[in-house]
Amino acid sequence: AQSVTQLGSHVSVSEGALVLLRCNYSSSVPPYLFWYVQYPNQGLQLLLKYTSAATLVKGINGFEAEFKKSETSFHLTKPSAHMSDAAEYFCAVMGSNFGNEKLTFGTGTRLTIIP
Amino acid sequence: GAVVSQHPSWVICKSGTSVKIECRSLDFQATTMFWYRQFPKQSLMLMATSNEGSKATYEQGVEKDKFLINHASLTLSTLTVTSAHPEDSSFYICSARVDPLRTGVFLTYEQYFGPGTRLTVT
Repeated sequence: AQSVTQLGSHVSVSEGALVLLRCNYSSSVPPYLFWYVQYPNQGLQLLLKYTSAATLVKGINGFEAEFKKSETSFHLTKPSAHMSDAAEYFCAVMGSNFGNEKLTFGTGTRLTIIP
Repeated sequence: GAVVSQHPSWVICKSGTSVKIECRSLDFQATTMFWYRQFPKQSLMLMATSNEGSKATYEQGVEKDKFLINHASLTLSTLTVTSAHPEDSSFYICSARVDPLRTGVFLTYEQYFGPGTRLTVT
């Protein structure tokens, strides 16, 4: 079984400031981890994914995340926030073994950018 | 590549009627599709997993007789909400995944999401 916990349902940062969205996971097998972004009334867009290769993963729109096994974390960061980053962000985990490919989502973090 | 479409994007229906939502993989074959529902300001909850040519597997608490899923081809899965009621109003999102035994352009296990369908039952 696997689960993710996203700390902070709402995060506000000033434009140009660092974005940090937290995600901790729990998994009985080595996990695959994902960050998705959702804009209002739209589906999910994949930002980045960790699939047991490099622990520092770079994604689209300047986002990156680091897999830390010792901390069971996969936090999402962006050095400088842009107004267009305002959206809902979901962390998700999937088991890496065959037959355990369901995605389990966190509760989401709404990111607000302050001009 | 890896585009998934949903139709309709939004639908309003009267209580007691049935609504069908289509999920299509446009440029790849999807042996597995997933259906999620999302209530306002909440996360996605997996409803069911459908594999082409076989019966869907429903998550605990999801009524299979109410939410009928048909995965008739490698590019199409449909979700039919039967006898819809206002509490079924939600945002329904599908995702599609390539057979994990296939290699090639698409990452094994990655799911590609559709844009969602907003259902309002009056």
